[in-house]
Amino acid sequence: GAVVSQHPSRVICKSGTSVKIECRSLDFQATTMFWYRQFPKKSLMLMATSNEGSKATYEQGVEKDKFLINHASLTLSTLTVTSAHPEDSSFYICSARDYGRGGKNIQYFGAGTRLSVL
Amino acid sequence: ELKVEQNPLFLSMQEGKNYTIYCNYSTTSDRLYWYRQDPGKSLESLFVLLSNGAVKQEGRLMASLDTKARLSTLHITAAVHDLSATYFCAVGGSEKLVFGKGTKLTVNP
Repeated sequence: GAVVSQHPSRVICKSGTSVKIECRSLDFQATTMFWYRQFPKKSLMLMATSNEGSKATYEQGVEKDKFLINHASLTLSTLTVTSAHPEDSSFYICSARDYGRGGKNIQYFGAGTRLSVL
Repeated sequence: ELKVEQNPLFLSMQEGKNYTIYCNYSTTSDRLYWYRQDPGKSLESLFVLLSNGAVKQEGRLMASLDTKARLSTLHITAAVHDLSATYFCAVGGSEKLVFGKGTKLTVNP
């Protein structure tokens, strides 16, 4: 079964509103989680690395004030898209790194959130 | 800066045929991943390759890694329609992953 839960799977919102996306590791503790963005028929682009108990590390070109990340516990990271606009419409995917499963250090991905801003 | 190149980007093949997807990367890395993505879905982990010469097989898919050449291959044997999807390779160590652009595979009857 899924080891990383992402919610909601789909959200439609009006321009100017804020949207929060949750990413939970279900059966392991994840000190590090990652947030990706995927445009239609494109690859995944890393937006930021979420670190438990500290500030997220954002990739170049990603607005930290626009995409707020909070990693308050070892099993939960949230991404808030503030004052969303149509250009923020995209597929957002989180992942969590599991260091414990046989030492493989694998990233498991959430199911993704499709955001549509009207 | 790590760069990952994947080819081909589009692959249309007939059922029963064999083909290989290539993944080249620019700098040394200690692991390489292959993922599958179905339309509208997230990523499904297929393989994790950890060392030079590593070969892993699952069903009709086989992945290999040559760290000296900085090359990984995903070989498809006797393709079936269910394998139609987009396949991504990704390279990374203990930190972030860098993804290739993906190969959209279509298997025709």
